[in-house]
Amino acid sequence: EPEVTQTPSHQVTQMGQEVILRCVPISNHLYFYWYRQILGQKVEFLVSFYNNEISEKSEIFDDQFSVERPDGSNFTLKIRSTKLEDSAMYFCASSDEETQYFGPGTRLLVL
Amino acid sequence: AQSVTQLDSQVPVFEEAPVELRCNYSSSVSVYLFWYVQYPNQGLQLLLKYLSGSTLVKGINGFEAEFNKSQTSFHLRKPSVHISDTAEYFCAVTRGSSNTGKLIFGQGTTLQVKP
Repeated sequence: EPEVTQTPSHQVTQMGQEVILRCVPISNHLYFYWYRQILGQKVEFLVSFYNNEISEKSEIFDDQFSVERPDGSNFTLKIRSTKLEDSAMYFCASSDEETQYFGPGTRLLVL
Repeated sequence: AQSVTQLDSQVPVFEEAPVELRCNYSSSVSVYLFWYVQYPNQGLQLLLKYLSGSTLVKGINGFEAEFNKSQTSFHLRKPSVHISDTAEYFCAVTRGSSNTGKLIFGQGTTLQVKP
């Protein structure tokens, strides 16, 4: 069964460093998403992406964040200058226009 | 704007007992509703969804949920739980005009199944 994959599973970084989180969506899906879950809190929407452009973004998704689909298979989330409060589990999802399927997540820890 | 409230943060239950996890939503427009499960150290897995049609929907692992428009609820039920059902359960909604819109999640309910 096709599934969304994410790398790395864990990432530790220093405050102020750039990180890139990678996702491989399900191959025939056209809609892609990033969500995050701060420890002990609810899952929050960050951004959605369709047809090579952002279709919607939340207030959290400020200028420090960017997304890209560089090669037709990967979908990346970049955080330019990480802050302590960026520590969270980041989930990628892709949709078949009916259901969003989630990856296993990348746990980001900013020190 | 939509919002989701899961009324119970933790639900302890003995194995083979029935369980109901409550979810209420608020929305000025029609919605689609979902339940996702998160097992320890794993991602979110879809349990079931309501898009239209019958208000009683059946999902994986013996779970079912009923959409009640008048009460704006989408409670999740299972008649007999197993130890393996121990997990975090999330209710989520999206705008009914678009299946591809963002999901709004509730706070989650931790189901603890005891032997």
